[in-house]
Amino acid sequence: DVKVTQSSRYLVKRTGEKVFLECVQDMDHENMFWYRQDPGLGLRLIYFSYDVKMKEKGDIPEGYSVSREKKERFSLILESASTNQTSMYLCASSPTGTSRYGYTFGSGTRLTVV
Amino acid sequence: AQKITQTQPGMFVQEKEAVTLDCTYDTSDPSYGLFWYKQPSSGEMIFLIYQGSYDQQNATEGRYSLNFQKARKSANLVISASQLGDSAMYFCAMREGNTGFQKLVFGTGTRLLVSP
Repeated sequence: DVKVTQSSRYLVKRTGEKVFLECVQDMDHENMFWYRQDPGLGLRLIYFSYDVKMKEKGDIPEGYSVSREKKERFSLILESASTNQTSMYLCASSPTGTSRYGYTFGSGTRLTVV
Repeated sequence: AQKITQTQPGMFVQEKEAVTLDCTYDTSDPSYGLFWYKQPSSGEMIFLIYQGSYDQQNATEGRYSLNFQKARKSANLVISASQLGDSAMYFCAMREGNTGFQKLVFGTGTRLLVSP
C-alpha cells in the first residue's frame, strides 16, 4: 500500500527549540507539500517542493524552512519554535501532472509548543 | 478573496439519511479540478471524489456524489444513506490550471456528525 509517513503523531516542544518534522513517501512522487491545519482556518500551505533540492514558499512560510535532499523525504523545520506554531501539520505528496486523486496525505503531526 | 468557501462549520444528520455539504469556489481559470476529502478524528485525509471542470457528468463514488453547478461555481458533496462512520471533518479543495504542477487550495471544512 502506498504511503506517506510522518515520523511523529504527537510532539511537545519548548519555546525556542529547533524542531524537525519529517515526512517520507514511497510512491516516487515529484511533489511534496507541508500544510498546517487550524480550527476554522482549514489547511494552509507552508512550503512545497517539486523536485529534489527545490522549494517554494506557500501562503504562510514565516517561521518555517524546509529541506529536500532526497526525492522521498521532505522535512519541515521550525528554527525557533513559538507557541503560535502549535498546530496540526500535514505532509502530502503528488505525482507530476494532474491527478484525479489530488494528494496522498500522511497521518499528521500534532505539535504543541509550550 | 477566498478561493474555496465552506459556509457550514457543522452539520448534523441522522443515520440512513442523506446530507449535502456545501462548497463554492472562485476561479477565472477555465481548467480546474475540485476534490473532497474526509478527515476522521484519527487525522489522516482520505480522498473521496473528484470533479474536473470539463467533465460532462457529475462525479459519483459509491455513496458519494458531487453536485457540480459550474455556472454557480458550486461543488456540493452529497452523502447518501449516512453511516455512523461518516462522522468526520470534510474538506473541499480546488486545483487551478492543468499544467504539470498541482497545488490544492482548501476550504475551512465542515464537521459532520451522524447520530443513531
